[in-house]
Amino acid sequence: GAVVSQHPSWVICKSGTSVKIECRSLDFQATTMFWYRQFPKQSLMLMATSNEGSKATYEQGVEKDKFLINHASLTLSTLTVTSAHPEDSSFYICSAASRSYEQYFGPGTRLTVT
Amino acid sequence: GEDVEQSLFLSVREGDSSVINCTYTDSSSTYLYWYKQEPGAGLQLLTYIFSNMDMKQDQRLTVLLNKKDKHLSLRIADTQTGDSAIYFCAEILSYNTDKLIFGTGTRLQVFP
Repeated sequence: GAVVSQHPSWVICKSGTSVKIECRSLDFQATTMFWYRQFPKQSLMLMATSNEGSKATYEQGVEKDKFLINHASLTLSTLTVTSAHPEDSSFYICSAASRSYEQYFGPGTRLTVT
Repeated sequence: GEDVEQSLFLSVREGDSSVINCTYTDSSSTYLYWYKQEPGAGLQLLTYIFSNMDMKQDQRLTVLLNKKDKHLSLRIADTQTGDSAIYFCAEILSYNTDKLIFGTGTRLQVFP
């Protein structure tokens, strides 16, 4: 149980284009989903927290207009990186929780912007 | 503050025990976690402990919590090469139960 998937697992895009990453909880309903960013050999940095049907809460320093988060249902959240630039290249990981104390993580999406 | 610190690297021989340590600064931790991350993959929840517990054992894994010293450890018995990965400790604070605060990560390397 508690499986979270992400799609795509890796993506290469050109500078200036937008990329959408999907996060799905496969066998449970996630009231809250989280998006993290991880740079090489570093820890995870929380970008935003989203609850189904409401606007995402962004961490300080994260541009909400650049990283659009939609949590349309209890099993799906999407992160769209708009007007991507090479500095947006990173490993993006989502997690999903049905209860506050239990987060289950997706396998991650590696984004490379050329 | 919300600092969670770990040593960067640990190397052990296959079959030995590994002990990964974590220190945190905020005493309002409610739950503390250990996650495993293999190269290019997401995080796998290994175990977690509630802050009113001192110890939790789950098969080869033993978690010890010293709340007075704000110290958390993960002991892996009979370490195998498949245990090679990065291990993150994390905490949830009582005043923000939605936010996991991660440690810096410890790279465990197991050699034959």
